Amino acid sequence: ELKVEQNPLFLSMQEGKNYTIYCNYSTTSDRLYWYRQDPGKSLESLFVLLSNGAVKQEGRLMASLDTKARLSTLHITAAVHDLSATYFCADMDSNYQLIWGAGTKLIIKP
Amino acid sequence: NAGVTQTPKFQVLKTGQSMTLQCAQDMNHNSMYWYRQDPGMGLRLIYYSASEGTTDKGEVPNGYNVSRLNKREFSLRLESAAPSQTSVYFCASSVTSGSINEQFFGPGTRLTVL
Repeated sequence: ELKVEQNPLFLSMQEGKNYTIYCNYSTTSDRLYWYRQDPGKSLESLFVLLSNGAVKQEGRLMASLDTKARLSTLHITAAVHDLSATYFCADMDSNYQLIWGAGTKLIIKP
Repeated sequence: NAGVTQTPKFQVLKTGQSMTLQCAQDMNHNSMYWYRQDPGMGLRLIYYSASEGTTDKGEVPNGYNVSRLNKREFSLRLESAAPSQTSVYFCASSVTSGSINEQFFGPGTRLTVL
């Protein structure tokens, strides 16, 4: 069974701290996607990681991909309240369909 | 560009009623998807359409039907709604380019079945 596991599923942190969300997947894909969802809103694409060792950064968020370990990470640097959201990672199967993790709900307290 | 649009935004049904959720995209994407999102379960694929004229079942197709009316529009029909179909439904589209499938989502439809 193809699976994507995120951890933690819930994270409460203080502004200014650093933290990492982990995404383990089971396929041999070298494609990994990160999305953000604000409460009551839709999903927004954050990063598309296309190869082993890929690293992408936008503002305080940085995503990386290690295809050998089947692991992607989303690192948050010096968190701010506006980054509070649920973050999803998704893998891609052999039919190009996305397999979604359960999401990590991130709450950043002022 | 409006991107991906969905109607209605909210709907309340009684058990056994039917309804159609509408989705349209103006990005000239080939592929379109219907997902449901339940608390703590991420997204689950109901049906998808890789191109105009084709549809395929996803992970949870039971109780649903779809129609890919043209390249822009992909509708989801509940023939006889059940309380287990209470969920948030998202439509998405993508241009599957090479081996990249970056999906773009509509605003969602919140459905409650009583």
